[in-house]
Amino acid sequence: QKEVEQNSGPLSVPEGAIASLNCTYSDRGSQSFFWYRQYSGKSPELIMSIYSNGDKEDGRFTAQLNKASQYVSLLIRDSQPSDSATYLCAVKGGGSNYKLTFGKGTLLTVNP
Amino acid sequence: SAVISQKPSRDICQRGTSLTIQCQVDSQVTMMFWYRQQPGQSLTLIATANQGSEATYESGFVIDKFPISRPNLTFSTLTVSNMSPEDSSIYLCSASGTGQDEQFFGPGTRLTVL
Repeated sequence: QKEVEQNSGPLSVPEGAIASLNCTYSDRGSQSFFWYRQYSGKSPELIMSIYSNGDKEDGRFTAQLNKASQYVSLLIRDSQPSDSATYLCAVKGGGSNYKLTFGKGTLLTVNP
Repeated sequence: SAVISQKPSRDICQRGTSLTIQCQVDSQVTMMFWYRQQPGQSLTLIATANQGSEATYESGFVIDKFPISRPNLTFSTLTVSNMSPEDSSIYLCSASGTGQDEQFFGPGTRLTVL
């Protein structure tokens, strides 16, 4: 059973702070990793994808991947109230396995 | 990224009836998927919709309950059959392009079964 675990949250940070979201996965053969943002009542929106070890930056978002530790994280710098949402970690297996396994999500609240 | 639409956006149905949800993508895509998201929960994959062949269902989901069609590379339907209140959920369609791992989601269909 492939599993994706996220810190349970909820996570509350003040506006302007760094929000750190964490995810671990059980399938060592996993190759692709994604972060989705889901606002209440809306569908998931892809915000970051990462495929190799290290950091990937996109604006205020940085994804970090460590395959040896089976760990992926998302940092949100200068957090804004509009970042308040549930963040879902998703992992795709290796090879021809095209399916995504989602974590349960972490609810982030950014307080003005 | 592909733009995905779903119809209906929401519906309230009576126990024992069936509802068909449509998913339309604005470009040809290789893979289409159907997920369920129950209140306060994460996404659970129901099945992969295969163009021109039977869908591939995940453990716990069966074709009689969730028949799926995919007549071409831009369109798929999911039917929720013989509904019970336990089927009340959000149903999401997603798609990914050729050679792409990233999946993009439609807006979802919020189903309530009375």
